[in-house]
Amino acid sequence: QAVLTQPSSLSASPGASASLTCTLRSGINVGTYRIYWYQQKPGSPPQYLLRYKSDSDKQQGSGVPSRFSGSKDASANAGILLISGLQSEDEADYYCMIWHYNAVVFGGGTKLTVL
Amino acid sequence: QLQLQESGPGLVKPSETLSLTCTVSGGSISSSSYYWGWIRQPPGKGLEWIGTIYFSGSTYYNPSLKSRVTISVETSKNQFSLKLSSVTAADTAVYYCARQEYDFWSGSHDAFDIWGQGTMVTVSS
Repeated sequence: QAVLTQPSSLSASPGASASLTCTLRSGINVGTYRIYWYQQKPGSPPQYLLRYKSDSDKQQGSGVPSRFSGSKDASANAGILLISGLQSEDEADYYCMIWHYNAVVFGGGTKLTVL
Repeated sequence: QLQLQESGPGLVKPSETLSLTCTVSGGSISSSSYYWGWIRQPPGKGLEWIGTIYFSGSTYYNPSLKSRVTISVETSKNQFSLKLSSVTAADTAVYYCARQEYDFWSGSHDAFDIWGQGTMVTVSS
């Protein structure tokens, strides 16, 4: 079982909100980790969006709009990237990441379609 | 503004060693606040972390690649490099270098906040 699991795809309408999940493997407690989120558009490198551990330990990437926000669902052992007021330009791949036992781990990515 | 630029051969033969260099401009690689990393992405697939290095030479590697990977730093040239040995077609990917934030006092590794544009490396005879 992968350390981080993301749904492969998600669709949402312009103006709506999208909630992208990053589920940690059983036995790895989401509460103890900073979850990082990246956006990648075709032909471009990933762009850092934000970091979320708790409301007192979070960071917005430079220039990233406030409609991108992070949270956690402890009951699901998952980190969440919430994108509100979806725009066509938000259509991209989104990756989560953690630092786990002295190693970087990426989730498999979610392709977000805005239609 | 800090920039990173990957360079190296775009074609490598199977069983040979892939060698790439990342040149850092607009800032010093010797800052205590950052690690420097390599990440790759096979065509149509997700991101895979390869490893990271500090200006002192301290390294962390992906356990699945560790036996084949060497990352080194040359502070005088503001560069760090990747060597991946015994390559196969499965190593064909876009290779990115990136800067990773680091809190020296807590030892906390943080986000990859600045990325290079990436370089495509194909493994083929």
